[in-house]
Amino acid sequence: QITLKESGPTLVKPTQTLTLTCTFSGFSLSTSGVGVGWIRQPPGKALEWLALIYWDDDKRYSPSLKSRLTITKDTSKNQVVLTMTNMDPVDTATYYCAHRRNAMVNFDYWGQGTLVTVSS
Amino acid sequence: SYELTQPPSVSVSPGQTARITCSGDALPKQYAYWYQQKPGQAPVLVIYKDSERPSGIPERFSGSSSGTTVTLTISGVQAEDEADYYCQSADSSGSYQVFGSGTKVTVL
Repeated sequence: QITLKESGPTLVKPTQTLTLTCTFSGFSLSTSGVGVGWIRQPPGKALEWLALIYWDDDKRYSPSLKSRLTITKDTSKNQVVLTMTNMDPVDTATYYCAHRRNAMVNFDYWGQGTLVTVSS
Repeated sequence: SYELTQPPSVSVSPGQTARITCSGDALPKQYAYWYQQKPGQAPVLVIYKDSERPSGIPERFSGSSSGTTVTLTISGVQAEDEADYYCQSADSSGSYQVFGSGTKVTVL
């Protein structure tokens, strides 16, 4: 059974760096084709893809946010970490991590999401 | 940057068919995915690889592709299908992922 869970601060101040951790079980991020992505959703708005890390450590980022994002994995801990620098109130959103099974099956399992509020 | 275009809303009576379109220039080259999201819940994958249905998803959900447009069809809509639906795909080179703006399906 695949599960994912996001953790991190619920409140960050403007200009601070956000660090979110996705802890997962039921799969290995060293299996060929597998990936873990991060997606966010501001209140009342659409989903926005942020980043994706693959089993081979290939990393992809949203072009509009690339300069602010870093995604890493710790295969031994079954964790993926996303950092986002220079946080702004517009970054207030629910942040999700999701499992990518292979090149043909994207985001088939999602975490419950964690709401991050950016405010002074 | 690359965008996927969806209608903001679709209304349908119970038992009727709802069709949600998603347009994007790279859709002939990249697979499309559809997600259902109900209020306060995480999205659920309902269609992958343009037209495949994950296990546990009702048969009334189907996907199709034609050129630069993909379509999610919900046949025999039920009240429980009322939700936001998002298409998702990648740019032409597969470098990054994109979500559509979402379509709210209202069951009248």
